[in-house]
Amino acid sequence: GAGVSQSPSNKVTEKGKDVELRCDPISGHTALYWYRQSLGQGLEFLIYFQGNSAPDKSGLPSDRFSAERTGGSVSTLTIQRTQQEDSAVYLCASSLVAGEDYNSPLHFGNGTRLTVT
Amino acid sequence: SQQGEEDPQALSIQEGENATMNCSYKTSINNLQWYRQNSGRGLVHLILIRSNEREKHSGRLRVTLDTSKKSSSLLITASRAADTASYFCASYQAGTALIFGKGTTLSVSS
Repeated sequence: GAGVSQSPSNKVTEKGKDVELRCDPISGHTALYWYRQSLGQGLEFLIYFQGNSAPDKSGLPSDRFSAERTGGSVSTLTIQRTQQEDSAVYLCASSLVAGEDYNSPLHFGNGTRLTVT
Repeated sequence: SQQGEEDPQALSIQEGENATMNCSYKTSINNLQWYRQNSGRGLVHLILIRSNEREKHSGRLRVTLDTSKKSSSLLITASRAADTASYFCASYQAGTALIFGKGTTLSVSS
């Protein structure tokens, strides 16, 4: 079946512009995560959605970052007034359910590489 | 914030040798997971070990967990060039967000 799909795969934008990154999770997965990975670094948690519950936004680095998930499926990560330090690979993942009680592995997309010039 | 920290940061071995990567974590866990990331790709789940398990095997992978030391290790036996990738441990921290370490970059040369 189809895996997690992210678009675009690459995005180059000018400093100060807004960008939208899209994630299509695996059908039936109720949990959706966004992570950021800077060059050669580990994954930085940004935000996660679980079903209809309020999202956990504790990882968002600033109020320029926001995300929404429509209809419990597709998610969009928006970065307003982009800065050069926003340059990174943005990874989306989904799982059947969230939480360590359920042992659901995460399935990742291949990411969107964002370059802010 | 990082829940797990992998060691070493980088490892270079020859094909056929074993590779061992270690992970230390900070808070109590119910389970710990290991993922692999090939260059330019997303992460792929390898194995999950529960807190009441001490060792788990999957093919050429062996994972151990020592909850008293808050540490885990991933052993890849008889490594192949195709095992070249970054390996991450991950566990849940204070809620339901899965937090990853910085990873170990493994290079296997033929």
